[in-house]
Amino acid sequence: DAGITQSPRHKVTETGTPVTLRCHQTENHRYMYWYRQDPGHGLRLIHYSYGVKDTDKGEVSDGYSVSRSKTEDFLLTLESATSSQTSVYFCAISDIAGVRVSDTQYFGPGTRLTVL
Amino acid sequence: AQKVTQAQTEISVVEKEDVTLDCVYETRDTTYYLFWYKQPPSGELVFLIRRNSFDEQNEISGRYSWNFQKSTSSFNFTITASQVVDSAVYFCALSVPGNQFYFGTGTSLTVIP
Repeated sequence: DAGITQSPRHKVTETGTPVTLRCHQTENHRYMYWYRQDPGHGLRLIHYSYGVKDTDKGEVSDGYSVSRSKTEDFLLTLESATSSQTSVYFCAISDIAGVRVSDTQYFGPGTRLTVL
Repeated sequence: AQKVTQAQTEISVVEKEDVTLDCVYETRDTTYYLFWYKQPPSGELVFLIRRNSFDEQNEISGRYSWNFQKSTSSFNFTITASQVVDSAVYFCALSVPGNQFYFGTGTSLTVIP
């Protein structure tokens, strides 16, 4: 199994509070991703990173920001949480990517976030 | 644009029956990759298989088999002699160069003992 951990695993917070989720990997993979999973939507990409300090937006990035100061850590921040951000958040990692190559993504265990 | 469709939202089968999960994809890229992931009730996402667009050979792994047909843009997954432990949500995904993944909405499989 890929070495990916997420913290916290569960969190309940109130509307308007800031929340930071952490993804930590021990695989030294270049790419890291944040997804959210909601019923009827599958997994949707929030943000991803293709290297230290290199990030880009995904399909559902509004209301979220990310940072990657080290290869092993990728942080997802909800600046002011809303009830619509109640979801299960998954981090993923992959290694090779390029013009003609796409690598498997391996997922962390997930974080269940509830915004009241 | 890329898209993955899993038309079967929920499937129930009796143990030992065979079941096929459908996946239809759309892409204009000639190089792409297709994946299946399993999400058991415990919630983690488990990688099952990866195929690239140049390899249309079907694959078998134990009770699992995958049928890739470019002519119909399908990558279907069959479980033979299903077991209760196969109960899970299964996701099909498409990736194009650059590592952008596109997931289907998942098929929830329940195997009844």
